[in-house]
Amino acid sequence: EVQLLDSGGGLGQPGGSLRLSCTASGFIFSNYVMSWVRQAPGRGLEWVSSISDTGGDTYYADSVKGRFTISRDNSKNTVSLQMNSLRADDTAVFYCVKGGVSFLRGTFYCYGLDVWGQGTTVTVSS
Amino acid sequence: DVVLTQSPLSLPVTLGQPASISCRSNQSLVHSDGDTYLNWFQQRPGQSPRRLIYAVSNRASGVPDRFSGSGSGTDFTLKISRVEAEDVGVYYCMQGTHWPPTFGGGTKMEIK
Repeated sequence: EVQLLDSGGGLGQPGGSLRLSCTASGFIFSNYVMSWVRQAPGRGLEWVSSISDTGGDTYYADSVKGRFTISRDNSKNTVSLQMNSLRADDTAVFYCVKGGVSFLRGTFYCYGLDVWGQGTTVTVSS
Repeated sequence: DVVLTQSPLSLPVTLGQPASISCRSNQSLVHSDGDTYLNWFQQRPGQSPRRLIYAVSNRASGVPDRFSGSGSGTDFTLKISRVEAEDVGVYYCMQGTHWPPTFGGGTKMEIK
């Protein structure tokens, strides 16, 4: 069964840091772009970040660029999101998602988003 | 960024009756490769989103055939031929044609 297991959420201080992780199973992890998508309380969905299959290319929404870092370890089938300089408006459920953004010969594509983790909650508050 | 406007925001439906959700984009979603990357997601209460439709009209694996997608350019529609109780939730359209990927605001479907 294809599965994504999100973890690492919790309470973070404004200006502080949190690290989210996602462990994948049931598919060849190293073949796929992976992403994080978030959902603020009572709000819609927002794409946050994607990482290429090799980890060599990363992409970020403007709202998190310079503060968040996505990474992956294909030997462990994991993708992570390091979140620094947290703000109150980062409060959300974060979902790990199979698929996402890539650029092929300079052309933007967004594939898949066909498998979602169960989500992990991040609350930023003092 | 591409803005996707969904309507209605709230959709009360009767079991067994059809339902329809509109998604309009402020620019064409035809990609330079000729395809149109407009997707639909369902989020049942308390659950993660689930992909229903990709590239306008292709049902994702395991999605019942009562769900269908249509449209072109800037106007797209998700239709449910006969609503069942398990269809309650919020539906989102999402575009993957233009950077960055964006989602519509959602349509909440509930049973009358």
